[in-house]
Amino acid sequence: AQRVTQPEKLLSVFKGAPVELKCNYSYSGSPELFWYVQYSRQRLQLLLRHISRESIKGFTADLNKGETSFHLKKPFAQEEDSAMYYCALKSAQKLVFGQGTRLTINP
Amino acid sequence: NAGVTQTPKFQVLKTGQSMTLQCAQDMNHNSMYWYRQDPGMGLRLIYYSASEGTTDKGEVPNGYNVSRLNKREFSLRLESAAPSQTSVYFCAGSGARVSGANVLTFGAGSRLTVL
Repeated sequence: AQRVTQPEKLLSVFKGAPVELKCNYSYSGSPELFWYVQYSRQRLQLLLRHISRESIKGFTADLNKGETSFHLKKPFAQEEDSAMYYCALKSAQKLVFGQGTRLTINP
Repeated sequence: NAGVTQTPKFQVLKTGQSMTLQCAQDMNHNSMYWYRQDPGMGLRLIYYSASEGTTDKGEVPNGYNVSRLNKREFSLRLESAAPSQTSVYFCAGSGARVSGANVLTFGAGSRLTVL
């Protein structure tokens, strides 16, 4: 079955430190993966997707098919990065989401 | 453009009551979805509609029904609310050319409490 696992419910780092939010998936086929973010009092929104190979707000994510992972990384965390982050996998005509990681950046 | 609009934003129900969550979009999305968000559980798909006139069950459909009234509107109905349905509900759309295929545009959410 298609599944997305985010092993960390909570992650806390200091401003300026590197950040890595983990995401692992199970999928039989060629996966299409996304990261969504929900800032306080804002709507869930797309942060980035692996097919675009882009860096958004300093975040990048590389698809590693061997490890079935799509970890989200940022070299220097900023306070405005505090938010809820969801990894998602396209499965047929829908998206399957992970459990989410709440990231807190401490000043 | 309003995007994806959900009503109501907040609702308190008693066990056994019924209600309908409304969702409308003006982004020309082909597909629409209803998710629920619970702490530690992430976002779980309740029902979705890949195109106008079709609906399919998601991961947690029990206790819910949906109607894709037209391309713009996708409603979620609780026939007999239970405390386990206390959650935040999100409607989303995808498939509009402006946002790109497979990218979801979410509504603001509806917080439902069942006593």
